[in-house]
Amino acid sequence: DAKTTQPPSMDCAEGRAANLPCNHSTISGNEYVYWYRQIHSQGPQYIIHGLKNNETNEMASLIITEDRKSSTLILPHATLRDTAVYYCIVRVEGPGANSKLTFGKGITLSVRP
Amino acid sequence: DTAVSQTPKYLVTQMGNDKSIKCEQNLGHDTMYWYKQDSKKFLKIMFSYNNKELIINETVPNRFSPKSPDKAHLNLHINSLELGDSAVYFCASSHSGGRNEQFFGPGTRLTVL
Repeated sequence: DAKTTQPPSMDCAEGRAANLPCNHSTISGNEYVYWYRQIHSQGPQYIIHGLKNNETNEMASLIITEDRKSSTLILPHATLRDTAVYYCIVRVEGPGANSKLTFGKGITLSVRP
Repeated sequence: DTAVSQTPKYLVTQMGNDKSIKCEQNLGHDTMYWYKQDSKKFLKIMFSYNNKELIINETVPNRFSPKSPDKAHLNLHINSLELGDSAVYFCASSHSGGRNEQFFGPGTRLTVL
């Protein structure tokens, strides 16, 4: 699986959008971008994933650049409960794919009141 | 109606003891995993089972023996516990192939004294 690079930390004000960047310059054509987060003392939680089109769900939006070498996770209205470590993971999806998740260091998002 | 559950939540034991951690999922998934998160917060895959068969074994000491009695359960038995085994152990489950968003349990904090 391709490697990802994330800044170690960032913060944002409550109610504002949080834009979390991720670089994955060695991504292959069949690799998806996944985002998980881990709130303190809890298990990781799936947020969203995408291949090349932008994706949106009830939790967040995922914007993938046209060359697919980077992406941004957007939490449109951050709350204090969104304070967590966010992991950007690149992996192949589909039958026979290696199903493990390879976690990096992630980015620590701190939402301030 | 917990999706992925683990018992116990906390486990404190002496070096050299043998202990087990249990995991159950009620999501109808056919793939289950064990991850280890060490004191530096790095989260790494240990094992993965698909339909009760071992498919991933990530260079884990053979003191660790996973057992999957059925698709809904994946237990982790650890022999001759060492200080370095202290960590938080997370169980996860997913469908195999296709979109396989992984659902994580709450974790078991193991402390070896």
